[in-house]
Amino acid sequence: DQQVKQNSPSLSVQEGRISILNCDYTNSMFDYFLWYKKYPAEGPTFLISISSIKDKNEDGRFTVFLNKSAKHLSLHIVPSQPGDSAVYFCAAAGTSYGKLTFGQGTILTVHP
Amino acid sequence: DGGITQSPKYLFRKEGQNVTLSCEQNLNHDAMYWYRQDPGQGLRLIYYSQIVNDFQKGDIAEGYSVSREKKESFPLTVTSAQKNPTAFYLCASSILVGSPNSNQPQHFGDGTRLSIL
Repeated sequence: DQQVKQNSPSLSVQEGRISILNCDYTNSMFDYFLWYKKYPAEGPTFLISISSIKDKNEDGRFTVFLNKSAKHLSLHIVPSQPGDSAVYFCAAAGTSYGKLTFGQGTILTVHP
Repeated sequence: DGGITQSPKYLFRKEGQNVTLSCEQNLNHDAMYWYRQDPGQGLRLIYYSQIVNDFQKGDIAEGYSVSREKKESFPLTVTSAQKNPTAFYLCASSILVGSPNSNQPQHFGDGTRLSIL
């Protein structure tokens, strides 16, 4: 049972444009959501997070939106840069011990 | 610099052999985690530990074992009972959720790629 889903395996965007990565979840107990970026043969790097009490969190070029009623979150990257090309994972937590449930990942390619 | 160190970066296992993956952190984090990543899949939790001398099974603990004798170290042993051990293994740590700074993100090492000979 996949509780966190990233339905787009890949996304291709032109440099300077907006990248929008999507994530859906099924467990209503999740109350904390994160986005990680991962390069090949490296560990994921934390990008941005959002608590369920908010619907938007912004950090520089990265903005995460949360729609609790739709159980959907998205990551917006504006403007996209070639260095943003990586695999992006969304993750969710809903318990007191910090266990994260990850989506399958979306490969983002930003073309110069 | 504070961080998480995983070693070795590449590891090969023979059939019927146990191997141990090392994970050390100097971030003074209480909680540590082991994940497995397979191609086209997200990270799946193997084991986690919130405190020294205590650990819990994650979603795919069968064929694996861990120990937490020191706060800084959380080694993972892939036993011969794990029939499909070829994967990328990631170790992470975080401030213990439930503390004053709860809901802190997990920080990851650079992983160990395990292959079967």
